[in-house]
Amino acid sequence: NAGVMQNPRHLVRRRGQEARLRCSPMKGHSHVYWYRQLPEEGLKFMVYLQKENIIDESGMPKERFSAEFPKEGPSILRIQQVVRGDSAAYFCASSPDWAYNEQFFGPGTRLTVL
Amino acid sequence: KNEVEQSPQNLTAQEGEFITINCSYSVGISALHWLQQHPGGGIVSLFMLSSGKKKHGRLIATINIQEKHSSLHITASHPRDSAVYICAVRSPQGGSEKLVFGKGTKLTVNP
Repeated sequence: NAGVMQNPRHLVRRRGQEARLRCSPMKGHSHVYWYRQLPEEGLKFMVYLQKENIIDESGMPKERFSAEFPKEGPSILRIQQVVRGDSAAYFCASSPDWAYNEQFFGPGTRLTVL
Repeated sequence: KNEVEQSPQNLTAQEGEFITINCSYSVGISALHWLQQHPGGGIVSLFMLSSGKKKHGRLIATINIQEKHSSLHITASHPRDSAVYICAVRSPQGGSEKLVFGKGTKLTVNP
């Protein structure tokens, strides 16, 4: 049973471009969480999704950021018109069908905005 | 003031020493997690607990709900234990339960 997969592991974008980060949860997991870790700061919650539903997006910046978790395929975190301040490590985690269980983390995507 | 505070921020130990990392929180929680982040950046969940004590190998985690405090202990520390240890609490906020993280404790174990 493969763990949580994220790709790409490293992503470089120029200011104004779009960044798409993908997360494939563990098999059988339908809850996905995205977190951001800014340089020298702790992890911060961004969004919690279940299949085809956004449950809690209270940690998402109001503009340029969006997330989805379609019926088929990975969860996508999309950042439009990236700025240097978006440079960070983005982690996703998944948990089984029952909520509030242990979360399993992916390896993260390190986004660098030039 | 952060909702989750860890101490110390940095810790250096000699191989074999007993290590304690502390976590205090100020919000109501349903569970507390201890995570390990390796130098390469990957995050591993060590423990999830809501009461009492859990043990896994050389690692022990305890929580005191009344005092809003948890500790992570490492017995017979080893250089491979060098990592950042992160405390996170699951806190009901805004209609769902989300993880709120401490800033981490960077542990270095020297041979």
